[in-house]
Amino acid sequence: DAGVTQSPTHLIKTRGQQVTLRCSPKSGHDTVSWYQQALGQGPQFIFQYYEEEERQRGNFPDRFSGHQFPNYSSELNVNALLLGDSALYLCASSRTLTTVPYEQYFGPGTRLTVT
Amino acid sequence: AQSVTQLDSHVSVSEGTPVLLRCNYSSSYSPSLFWYVQHPNKGLQLLLKYTSAATLVKGINGFEAEFKKSETSFHLTKPSAHMSDAAEYFCVVIYSSASKIIFGSGTRLSIRP
Repeated sequence: DAGVTQSPTHLIKTRGQQVTLRCSPKSGHDTVSWYQQALGQGPQFIFQYYEEEERQRGNFPDRFSGHQFPNYSSELNVNALLLGDSALYLCASSRTLTTVPYEQYFGPGTRLTVT
Repeated sequence: AQSVTQLDSHVSVSEGTPVLLRCNYSSSYSPSLFWYVQHPNKGLQLLLKYTSAATLVKGINGFEAEFKKSETSFHLTKPSAHMSDAAEYFCVVIYSSASKIIFGSGTRLSIRP
């Protein structure tokens, strides 16, 4: 059983560019959450998708947007990249209709560097 | 405001000695509490979870945590540290009323030979 997978592993972009990160959830999971983890800090919640809709959102600007597909995979898009967007982006999947909601399984992350 | 505080940014212990990583959360009705571990260049792995069942929760690799409502704490312990325990540990709180997922700032655990 494959766990959560993310692509690409590493990415280097220039300020002002746009980037798309991808995530495939663990088999049987229907909910995907995205986090930003800056160097030396804990993950910060960006948003969560369920049934192809954004269900919750953290304190991130509209430059951060996402999408969930019918097969539950998800994309994170960041427009007009800033140097401060350099971070490890983590995807986590979970199964909403369980007795333990939000027991999340994390992918290895995508390391984004903005120059 | 809903929050979670990890009281130590770095803990260093000798191999074979006990480990204590401290976590406090802001009081709320029915929080769900988790501890995750992150090894260098690896994803986050769930160690254990508390969801209003037994207050003493056992996790993987010999770790356990005790939910103390009166102290709003969920400290992580292990009787005997192993070199492979060296990693970053995150306390995570989910407040069911608002469904917010909040990570602590992390505690880096170092193990001395």
